[in-house]
Amino acid sequence: KQEVTQIPAALSVPEGENLVLNCSFTDSAIYNLQWFRQDPGKGLTSLLLIQSSQREQTSGRLNASLDKSSGRSTLYIAASQPGDSATYLCAVSRYSGGGADGLTFGKGTHLIIQP
Amino acid sequence: SQTIHQWPATLVQPVGSPLSLECTVEGTSNPNLYWYRQAAGRGLQLLFYSVGIGQISSEVPQNLSASRPQDRQFILSSKKLLLSDSGFYLCAWIRTDRNSPLHFGNGTRLTVT
Repeated sequence: KQEVTQIPAALSVPEGENLVLNCSFTDSAIYNLQWFRQDPGKGLTSLLLIQSSQREQTSGRLNASLDKSSGRSTLYIAASQPGDSATYLCAVSRYSGGGADGLTFGKGTHLIIQP
Repeated sequence: SQTIHQWPATLVQPVGSPLSLECTVEGTSNPNLYWYRQAAGRGLQLLFYSVGIGQISSEVPQNLSASRPQDRQFILSSKKLLLSDSGFYLCAWIRTDRNSPLHFGNGTRLTVT
């Protein structure tokens, strides 16, 4: 059974710093990996999706990398801002279109950017 | 563009009362639909999954049920709520073509008293 772990569980850094969030998964037979952002009391917003054949994806100040063979992904946030404060979750999918298993989620990293 | 609507946003219900949460998707056809529950400190738990009208897969045995009466409508129900049903319920959809991201609604905060 796939397990997804995110370290650290919580992180607090001053504004302007570059930071890295980590995600590891136990079964490397994945179709893709997604990073999400969740604000308090809200649903999840998809940030980046990396196909299993890709090494990284970038969107603005965000860069996600994937090392499928080692079961690891990182989300790099450049020049952090207070508005980046949220919980970040990663999830892996075994099949295209989600499939019966859906996505397996980590528990998230709660990020606070201090002004 | 595609959008997902989920309601109500918050709900307080007594133990033993019925439940109906609704989710609709616009701008796409034949999506895969999901109901997740998020409890504090426990992550996201997949409850139900649907690949088409009337096709429901249950991932967790419980007193909840789901139905898909129309292609883009997904309903989560219970005949009698338990205290343990309290949580944050999220509806999500995904296209079935290659490498489509999963999209979530804004969720329903359910408190069973």
